[in-house]
Amino acid sequence: DAGVIQSPRHEVTEMGQEVTLRCKPISGHDYLFWYRQTMMRGLELLIYFNNNVPIDDSGMPEDRFSAKMPNASFSTLKIQPSEPRDSAVYFCASTGSSNYGYTFGSGTRLTVV
Amino acid sequence: GIQVEQSPPDLILQEGANSTLRCNFSDSVNNLQWFHQNPWGQLINLFYIPSGTKQNGRLSATTVATERYSLLYISSSQTTDSGVYFCAVATGGFKTIFGAGTRLFVKA
Repeated sequence: DAGVIQSPRHEVTEMGQEVTLRCKPISGHDYLFWYRQTMMRGLELLIYFNNNVPIDDSGMPEDRFSAKMPNASFSTLKIQPSEPRDSAVYFCASTGSSNYGYTFGSGTRLTVV
Repeated sequence: GIQVEQSPPDLILQEGANSTLRCNFSDSVNNLQWFHQNPWGQLINLFYIPSGTKQNGRLSATTVATERYSLLYISSSQTTDSGVYFCAVATGGFKTIFGAGTRLFVKA
């Protein structure tokens, strides 16, 4: 089991550019979560999916953020346009209905300059 | 929304010492987890423990749901235990909220 796989590990982009973060959950897990971690705000839940359907996106900061899960093995988090305040580590996690312990990916460190 | 408070915020231990980390939450929960974030940033699930007691090697956890707190015990601490320990809870469904964490440093 390769665990939850996120890409890229690091991303540096200029303000105004589009950024796409990617996540592959553990096979068989039907819940997928996107979290953002900053020093000021800690770990924040942005959105989560169940069976590829978004269930709660109340944590998505604004319309510049969007997330999709086109199939059970892939999800994206897109920021367009990016701003310096979006700089953070973005984590993806997954779990299955029969086991509520979450497995996190290694995260994507995003820097917007 | 639910409030999650962790204490202490920072902790320094000598290798071999024991410690207890606390997580208080403001509402009934159906999901409580403890995580360790190592110095390289990786988040590792330690326990899923909405109630009761579990043990895994030198670590154990107890959640008293009726009194709205959970404790994480670390015995015979090692330098590799250093990092940040997070408590995360959900009040229904899977909307899981993290506490601010306890930062632990274990000195050799």
